[in-house]
Amino acid sequence: AQKITQTQPGMFVQEKEAVTLDCTYDTSDPSYGLFWYKQPSSGEMIFLIYQGSYDQQNATEGRYSLNFQKARKSANLVISASQLGDSAMYFCAMGDDTGGFKTIFGAGTRLFVKA
Amino acid sequence: DTGVSQDPRHKITKRGQNVTFRCDPISEHNRLYWYRQTLGQGPEFLTYFQNEAQLEKSRLLSDRFSAERPKGSFSTLEIQRTEQGDSAMYLCASSPWGLAGNNEQFFGPGTRLTVL
Repeated sequence: AQKITQTQPGMFVQEKEAVTLDCTYDTSDPSYGLFWYKQPSSGEMIFLIYQGSYDQQNATEGRYSLNFQKARKSANLVISASQLGDSAMYFCAMGDDTGGFKTIFGAGTRLFVKA
Repeated sequence: DTGVSQDPRHKITKRGQNVTFRCDPISEHNRLYWYRQTLGQGPEFLTYFQNEAQLEKSRLLSDRFSAERPKGSFSTLEIQRTEQGDSAMYLCASSPWGLAGNNEQFFGPGTRLTVL
């Protein structure tokens, strides 16, 4: 069965510093996609970044990068130069690589950015 | 393009009543998903449509839950004989189909259900 594990319920980071949010996954499918979403207190889920299982390079989107280690089944999110507006819940998710069908989400990590 | 919309945003009902939620996806998206999210947890997959076909349904979706997408556009999620355990945020998302690689899901604002 597919599973996503996020072991950090809460994280603190100083404004302008970088932070890594951990995510490990388990699947027997050879082809899959990994996603990170942000959920601010307003409740809406916001897509951040995607990594396909066959992608050779780690995905990057602006201040977000995904540290993909396939052998270790980890897909950590790195946020550089944290901003106060980054304070939110962050969810790691896994789906197939054709559209995230039946996407499985982790329990989330709440990030607090301190001024 | 206004994104994914959901109606109502909030619903309070008494136990045993039926409720229906509506989701309007982004117009060119043919994939539509329903999730349930309880406080402090990640979204749990409920069901998925490709156009009007319901292709997958989670074991979480008991017989009291039914979803439709009759014309492949908007979708409805109905909960019959609501129970207090049904209290949650119900999220709808849509995505395009046929694009290789990144196929993020675009989420609506959700419908928060409270069953008294």
